[in-house]
Amino acid sequence: DGGITQSPKYLFRKEGQNVTLSCEQNLNHDAMYWYRQDPGQGLRLIYYSQIVNDFQKGDIAEGYSVSREKKESFPLTVTSAQKNPTAFYLCASSWAGQEGQPQHFGDGTRLSIL
Amino acid sequence: AQSVTQPDIHITVSEGASLELRCNYSYGATPYLFWYVQSPGQGLQLLLKYFSGDTLVQGIKGFEAEFKRSQSSFNLRKPSVHWSDAAEYFCAVNTGNQFYFGTGTSLTVIP
Repeated sequence: DGGITQSPKYLFRKEGQNVTLSCEQNLNHDAMYWYRQDPGQGLRLIYYSQIVNDFQKGDIAEGYSVSREKKESFPLTVTSAQKNPTAFYLCASSWAGQEGQPQHFGDGTRLSIL
Repeated sequence: AQSVTQPDIHITVSEGASLELRCNYSYGATPYLFWYVQSPGQGLQLLLKYFSGDTLVQGIKGFEAEFKRSQSSFNLRKPSVHWSDAAEYFCAVNTGNQFYFGTGTSLTVIP
């Protein structure tokens, strides 16, 4: 079955540590997205990518970095510069250049500080 | 700027009762609208979508939504709620390559 796989499901970060969240999709979608979800705040866009080797900052990119070396993969690194990383992180994908196509979501990664 | 408002943070309904979740959007042109559902600790699942045409759209799990341009609304409805419908519901609007999500409505279903 086609879908989006996020790993790990739970992740713990120590002070000063960078951690990387994995997102892989086999839907052949061009566009991929990373969202952060906090209670009562809905989804906030961190980064998105419409094509391999290109990505754009979203609303809350500070303290995060991404890469898009392969169409299927869009890993997110939470750097030590992100002072409040505890949240639920969701990866999504969709067809690019086609307005009105829904986003498909992974099952998320919950990140906590040790 | 585009925005989505879900006025109800939390709603409680009895099992078997009808349900309506409200969604208002702000967008100049005809929007592409979506409803998603999220169970605890899970990702978002698409319930239904509106592109154009018939203003009443049917989705999965017995849900439907009605687009009302005059009220800038896209409310989600279900005639009879089941205990398994307890979840968080998100309304979203798509424009270009961006999606804008509401802050969600948490649904509790009581026996």
